[in-house]
Formats: sequence, C-alpha cells, structure tokens
Amino acid sequence: AQSVTQLDSQVPVFEEAPVELRCNYSSSVSVYLFWYVQYPNQGLQLLLKYLSGSTLVKGINGFEAEFNKSQTSFHLRKPSVHISDTAEYFCAVSDKDSSASKIIFGSGTRLSIRP
Amino acid sequence: GAVVSQHPSWVICKSGTSVKIECRSLDFQATTMFWYRQFPKQSLMLMATSNEGSKATYEQGVEKDKFLINHASLTLSTLTVTSAHPEDSSFYICSAMSGGEAFFGQGTRLTVV
Repeated sequence: AQSVTQLDSQVPVFEEAPVELRCNYSSSVSVYLFWYVQYPNQGLQLLLKYLSGSTLVKGINGFEAEFNKSQTSFHLRKPSVHISDTAEYFCAVSDKDSSASKIIFGSGTRLSIRP
Repeated sequence: GAVVSQHPSWVICKSGTSVKIECRSLDFQATTMFWYRQFPKQSLMLMATSNEGSKATYEQGVEKDKFLINHASLTLSTLTVTSAHPEDSSFYICSAMSGGEAFFGQGTRLTVV
C-alpha cells in the first residue's frame, strides 16, 4: 500500500518570493507521483507528474518538482509566486505496475500568497 | 487531455431522500472510475473503485448500501447517495484513468438539509 505525507498544512508566502511545498511518500512498489492544484469549489487540475526518466519535472504555471528516490520525496517548487497561486495543493501517488491504479492523496497544503 | 464531466455541480436535498451523481468520460472509454469524498479543508478520500460491468470495490469504512455505484457503460459511472443525512454533505469528485493519467470531474457539492 502507498501513503503520502504533506508535512505543511499551510504555507504563507509573500508575492514574488520562492516557495517549496514538501511531499514524502512510502510504497513497497514503484510509483507514479503527481501534484494537483485545487481552487475553491472546483475539481483538481494536474500541475505535473513523474512517471519515469528525468527526476526534475516541469509543470504548468511555472511549477517544478524533483523526484528523490533515496529520500522518497517529491517536493514542489516555484521560484516566484503570484497572488493567483493561492490554492490548495495535493501530492499524490499511484501504483506504477497497475494500469488502472487508484490514486492516493496527501492531506494537502494550503498556499496563501500575501501581497 | 481527456475530459471527465460530472453532474450536477451542486445539489441540495432534503434529509431522507436520495441523490444521484453522474460521472462521464467524454472523449475516452474508462473501464475503471474512482469516487472520492472531500470534507471542507481536507484531502480527497477514496470511497470506491467503479468497475464497468461488475461490482464496485469499496474502501474500508464506506457503506456500500448507502453509496450505490453503478458503472453500466464504458463512459458513465453513477454514485447514488441513498437516504441522505446532513452528515453526508460533502464535495464528491470522480476520476477516470486515460493513458496512465487520472482526469477529474469538476466535483459535486452535496448539501443535505
């Protein structure tokens, strides 16, 4: 079974400052890793995903994440945030060996941007 | 990318009534869909895996008789909340896999009064 831990429930950041949202996972099998963003009362939008290959993954809206197998981490970063980045961010994992594997989500991190 | 449509986006119902939520894959076929529930300011909790042509697989602690799932075609799964009570009020989200990636519906806000 897989699990995902997002240690920070809330991260306040000033506009144009860099941000890192932490994510650690545990699994007995190889996994795919994802970051999703959720705006209020909306579904989820995929920011980026790690399936294989380069450990540095670039996504939409200027976000990127680095897969670190030894530390079982997949932290999300952005060099300069905007007010519009205010949202809930979820790290997620799924079983790589299953074609229709369920996705397990972390508890989420609320990113609030201060002007 | 693939599109998953969920309907309705919000619904208010009286306590004791049943509510049906639809999840459709618009441009692809999905033999498997997933139903999640999200309480305010919390994460998505997987409720069940919907399998086309067979019974759904429910996660531990989810009442299968209360949350009826039907996956009658390759593009449609439905979740029916039976005899709804105020504690069933929540945000329900479905997803379907396509090409190894999950695509999510826009969610349904259920309020039971």
